[in-house]
Amino acid sequence: GAVVSQHPSWVICKSGTSVKIECRSLDFQATTMFWYRQFPKQSLMLMATSNEGSKATYEQGVEKDKFLINHASLTLSTLTVTSAHPEDSSFYICSAKFRGITWPLHFGNGTRLTVT
Amino acid sequence: GENVEQHPSTLSVQEGDSAVIKCTYSDSASNYFPWYKQELGKGPQLIIDIRSNVGEKKDQRIAVTLNKTAKHFSLHITETQPEDSAVYFCAASIGDAGKSTFGDGTTLTVKP
Repeated sequence: GAVVSQHPSWVICKSGTSVKIECRSLDFQATTMFWYRQFPKQSLMLMATSNEGSKATYEQGVEKDKFLINHASLTLSTLTVTSAHPEDSSFYICSAKFRGITWPLHFGNGTRLTVT
Repeated sequence: GENVEQHPSTLSVQEGDSAVIKCTYSDSASNYFPWYKQELGKGPQLIIDIRSNVGEKKDQRIAVTLNKTAKHFSLHITETQPEDSAVYFCAASIGDAGKSTFGDGTTLTVKP
């Protein structure tokens, strides 16, 4: 069964509002979670690395004030898209790394965000 | 940084035939190479992986080969079935940080 649960699976919001996406590790502790964005027919692009109890590390070109990441516990990381605009519409995916084990990563089922 | 190139971008085969997808990477320090299958509207699902100290790995109809010298690795699917139709991504990873660089994906279509 799934070891990483992502919620919601899809969300539609109006331009200017904020949206929160949750990524939960089920039955294991995830010291590190990764957030990706995937545009249609494109590859996964890493946005940020989230470590439990510390600030997230963002990839070059990703606005940290727009994409707020919180990893408050070993089983939950959240991505908040603030003041969303239509160009933020995308498929957002998280993955988690077990405590003490790097590979393989376990991916969530993604969240389809549509900003109208 | 690491660069991963994946070919072909689309692949169509007849049911029962074999499918091969190839990837090259640029950083010789990469030491972990997973392959993912992604169905429409879902997250990537690991189907097989290989570490740099191994040249080949097989799991039923799926196999992966790695040539460290040439810095390329390939996914082989034998006896393809319509349910193998999906987008396949390769990735290359360095160290234990958990960060991977993904290829651009291959859309595999298996015709019944």
